Amino acid sequence: AQSVTQLGSHVSVSEGALVLLRCNYSSSVPPYLFWYVQYPNQGLQLLLKYTSAATLVKGINGFEAEFKKSETSFHLTKPSAHMSDAAEYFCAYSGGYNKLIFGAGTRLAVHP
Amino acid sequence: EAGVAQSPRYKIIEKRQSVAFWCNPISGHATLYWYQQILGQGPKLLIQFQNNGVVDDSQLPKDRFSAERLKGVDSTLKIQPAKLEDSAVYLCASSVTSGRQEETQYFGPGTRLLVL
Repeated sequence: AQSVTQLGSHVSVSEGALVLLRCNYSSSVPPYLFWYVQYPNQGLQLLLKYTSAATLVKGINGFEAEFKKSETSFHLTKPSAHMSDAAEYFCAYSGGYNKLIFGAGTRLAVHP
Repeated sequence: EAGVAQSPRYKIIEKRQSVAFWCNPISGHATLYWYQQILGQGPKLLIQFQNNGVVDDSQLPKDRFSAERLKGVDSTLKIQPAKLEDSAVYLCASSVTSGRQEETQYFGPGTRLLVL
């Protein structure tokens, strides 16, 4: 069965530091993968998605993610964290009929 | 373009009571999804509609949860009777079509339910 694992339920970085949020998937077929962000008391907003067109995917707000088939990973990065990046981030796998299977989420804290 | 609308935003009920949530998807979107997000977990799909037909309801607790999308536009999710473990955020999402795994889902702000 397909599954998504996000390593680290909480990540804390300094403003201006590199952001790295980890996501690994389990699937027997080529995946479609997504990163969503959730700000407090809001719904989920798409950051970026992998659809097999390119392994390095650029998204909104300076985020990008690299698909590595050999490592079954789709880690999210941003070179320089801003205070406004503090939120919860979800990695998701798209199964049949576009059913999204989410990881447990990683809460990102950014401190001055 | 207006986003996905949900109401109410917050609801507090006692166990064994009933509750209903409403969702209006983005105009023209054929597919509507209801997700349950328990605190500390990722969202879990409860039910998926394409137009007014059910595509997937395999994880919907049918003994207490029901959902409908009668005219293929807005949708209602009901819980009757509610249990303590139903406390969660209920998210509605929509997408243009369905069956395409790369398609983006657009989420509403959610309804936060607390069952006492």
